[in-house]
Amino acid sequence: DQQVKQNSPSLSVQEGRISILNCDYTNSMFDYFLWYKKYPAEGPTFLISISSIKDKNEDGRFTVFLNKSAKHLSLHIVPSQPGDSAVYFCAAYNDYKLSFGAGTTVTVRA
Amino acid sequence: SQTIHQWPATLVQPVGSPLSLECTVEGTSNPNLYWYRQAAGRGLQLLFYSVGIGQISSEVPQNLSASRPQDRQFILSSKKLLLSDSGFYLCAWSSTDNQPQHFGDGTRLSIL
Repeated sequence: DQQVKQNSPSLSVQEGRISILNCDYTNSMFDYFLWYKKYPAEGPTFLISISSIKDKNEDGRFTVFLNKSAKHLSLHIVPSQPGDSAVYFCAAYNDYKLSFGAGTTVTVRA
Repeated sequence: SQTIHQWPATLVQPVGSPLSLECTVEGTSNPNLYWYRQAAGRGLQLLFYSVGIGQISSEVPQNLSASRPQDRQFILSSKKLLLSDSGFYLCAWSSTDNQPQHFGDGTRLSIL
C-alpha cells in the first residue's frame, strides 16, 4: 500500500525557471516530511524537511509547502539549474518509519 | 562530520549463494540504522531498522536478515540468495526518530 505518492514520474523545465514537484500522502499520522535528491548510482541526499506544525520551510533555492488538510506537499526549486537534474523523492515519517514516494525525475534544459 | 560507508558498490552473485553487505557510520554514536531496497521505478522499501546493538526490527518478511554487532556497524545477510533479491540496497543512519536519514551510496546486487 503506497502511502506516499508522487504522481508525476518526470518533469522537464528550462534552466532559470521554477520546478514544482508534488507529493500526496494518505496517512494522517505522518508528522515530518522530507525531500531527497538522488543521482544515478548514488544514495539519496537529504534536501529539505518540514514539520507537520508548519506550512512552509525555505532553504536557499528550495522551498517546501505543506497542506495538511489536502494531505499534499510540494517542493519548489527556483531558479532551476542544470545540476538539479536528478530523481527527487518525497518521504514522510511515522515514528521511526520513513515512507517514500516512487520519485520524480527532473530534467533541466539549457 | 558524520560519514557513512557501504560496500561493495556492485556485486554479482549466483542463486543460492550467501550474502553479506556491510555498512559503517563514523562521527556519531548510537545512531538509528536502516537497510532499504529500491526496486526499479519504485521508492525505497524499508527492510530493517535498529536503534541499538543487537536490536533489529524487520519490516518485510523475506530471505534476508540483519545484524548490528557494533554500535556503528550494520550488516545485511542472506544464507541463500534468490533471483528476487536483485536490487539496489541502501544503508542509512539518523540521530534519532523523526530526523533526516543520511544514506550511503548503495550496493547494486545482481543475482544470476
